[in-house]
Amino acid sequence: KAGVTQTPRYLIKTRGQQVTLSCSPISGHRSVSWYQQTPGQGLQFLFEYFSETQRNKGNFPGRFSGRQFSNSRSEMNVSTLELGDSALYLCASSETSAANTGELFFGEGSRLTVL
Amino acid sequence: AQKVTQAQTEISVVEKEDVTLDCVYETRDTTYYLFWYKQPPSGELVFLIRRNSFDEQNEISGRYSWNFQKSTSSFNFTITASQVVDSAVYFCALTNDYKLSFGAGTTVTVRA
Repeated sequence: KAGVTQTPRYLIKTRGQQVTLSCSPISGHRSVSWYQQTPGQGLQFLFEYFSETQRNKGNFPGRFSGRQFSNSRSEMNVSTLELGDSALYLCASSETSAANTGELFFGEGSRLTVL
Repeated sequence: AQKVTQAQTEISVVEKEDVTLDCVYETRDTTYYLFWYKQPPSGELVFLIRRNSFDEQNEISGRYSWNFQKSTSSFNFTITASQVVDSAVYFCALTNDYKLSFGAGTTVTVRA
């Protein structure tokens, strides 16, 4: 079974630009969660999607958004990039909503650098 | 508030030594799940173990073992006879409603 696939793995953007990151969950998994990892703040929850609906959202500004498609693939978008958005963005999938058990399977992440 | 504390920032050991990673958590929930994840240099978080709040039985899986003590709100992780491949960042996590709350992580370096 293929794991969670995230693209792109690395990208460099400049302040003010926007970026879209993609995540393909494990086949059959309907829940996709996104986490931001930075040296200063550690791992922080962004949002979770389940069956194309955003179930939960973390404490991030509206510049951070996402969506999930009917095939469970998910994208997250960050608009008007700031230097502080430089981070590793991790996507995780699970069979059921992560709210129940939290058993998540993570991808290798997309490392975003904002210059 | 939900909180996970991993007091050890970095641990360095020589191969074959045992290493214990501490994890202390805070929660008001009576039902919750605790996790350990490993993050190798490649970046992905690898699931190691899940323990629910009603199961205080310790667990051993190969060279890994976990000690869950509800009385002290601790869920410690021991690697026995460490190997260079164990070098990674290890995260303890707690279910918090709809998400995982992660500790800051402990970087383990195993030297040959």
